[in-house]
Amino acid sequence: DADVTQTPRNRITKTGKRIMLECSQTKGHDRMYWYRQDPGLGLRLIYYSFDVKDINKGEISDGYSVSRQAQAKFSLSLESAIPNQTALYFCATSAGNPYNEQFFGPGTRLTVL
Amino acid sequence: GESVGLHLPTLSVQEGDNSIINCAYSNSASDYFIWYKQESGKGPQFIIDIRSNMDKRQGQRVTVLLNKTVKHLSLQIAATQPGDSAVYFCAENSGIGSTLGRLYFGRGTQLTVWP
Repeated sequence: DADVTQTPRNRITKTGKRIMLECSQTKGHDRMYWYRQDPGLGLRLIYYSFDVKDINKGEISDGYSVSRQAQAKFSLSLESAIPNQTALYFCATSAGNPYNEQFFGPGTRLTVL
Repeated sequence: GESVGLHLPTLSVQEGDNSIINCAYSNSASDYFIWYKQESGKGPQFIIDIRSNMDKRQGQRVTVLLNKTVKHLSLQIAATQPGDSAVYFCAENSGIGSTLGRLYFGRGTQLTVWP
């Protein structure tokens, strides 16, 4: 969905490096999410934010941090990357109603060597 | 906690046949369900959703059925086409307390359509 963009799309890095993945949206949604996808597994929630001043941990937040710089921007950081953080990362947004669908970005493929 | 699972990890169908993808959930408080389609190299795309006060909802070539008694959800695709080949995920939202607005995803079913 072009309304949700992620940068970079692919990244290869080394163990111990700090990495930031960025997400921007033009949908005007208050809610933003970061998910991780591993082969054969569904999407697992890392962090989510229901508005600029609200940040919440998801199922697998250890080793990750986030920053909600503005309504339209939500970044995910790996302070010290490790190989088992190699995965596909997706950002998503949704409107305020909890029964609204989430719109996903194209994903960032991260490889940690 | 919630768990969302799929009965079969893969499904192969012939072009033109109907496809049925199943999903089980364990949280009886779940009140909103979504089906997503993920094509290779892309993010998940919304297909159809259903609230717990309904047992059936239809879209274009797709139908979602919800059986709350046995906590089962299914996605039916009519006249399956090669472009339907993808991984399909079900997701649920309990909509209660701290999990309000969060979605819990199943592991996905790979649908392959052959000519």
